[in-house]
Amino acid sequence: AQTVTQSQPEMSVQEAETVTLSCTYDTSESDYYLFWYKQPPSRQMILVIRQEAYKQQNATENRFSVNFQKAAKSFSLKISDSQLGDAAMYFCALTTSGTYKYIFGTGTRLKVLA
Amino acid sequence: KAGVTQTPRYLIKTRGQQVTLSCSPISGHRSVSWYQQTPGQGLQFLFEYFSETQRNKGNFPGRFSGRQFSNSRSEMNVSTLELGDSALYLCASSLAGTFNQPQHFGDGTRLSIL
Repeated sequence: AQTVTQSQPEMSVQEAETVTLSCTYDTSESDYYLFWYKQPPSRQMILVIRQEAYKQQNATENRFSVNFQKAAKSFSLKISDSQLGDAAMYFCALTTSGTYKYIFGTGTRLKVLA
Repeated sequence: KAGVTQTPRYLIKTRGQQVTLSCSPISGHRSVSWYQQTPGQGLQFLFEYFSETQRNKGNFPGRFSGRQFSNSRSEMNVSTLELGDSALYLCASSLAGTFNQPQHFGDGTRLSIL
């Protein structure tokens, strides 16, 4: 069975500081993608960043980067220079080849303090 | 390009009733997935459709069903509603639903059961 675990229900960060959100996953497949999605209070889920399992290089998108540790099955999200607009629920998700199915974690609520 | 559109935004029903939710994907997207989102549970996968065929299904009772039309629009039906069905129902679309394609989400339908 495939699982995604986010062990931090809530995190806080000061504006302009850096925060790291944790995610661990489990799959027996070798071909998979990992995603981080952001859900602001307005509700629409937005893709933040994605990582292909076969790529060793960690993905980055502006202030967002991941630390992908394949052997440890860990996929954390680092947000640098946090902004008030980063406040949201963040979901980690896993999808594997041929399943047409995303497995989501339970989410981490990020609060950004001014 | 218009995003994923879900209607209605809010629904209030009573136990035992049935409900139909609608989702119009982004133009050109042929894969539509449905999720149930509840606090503490994250997003639970309901089912995925591609070219009017259900390709995968989550662990939900048979009261939850869906379909997809030739124009890729999708509907989800829940019969004999229970209090526990109260949730935000999210629809997501992608070009073909393959694992390397990110999903684009709608704003969701908030279903409340009285």
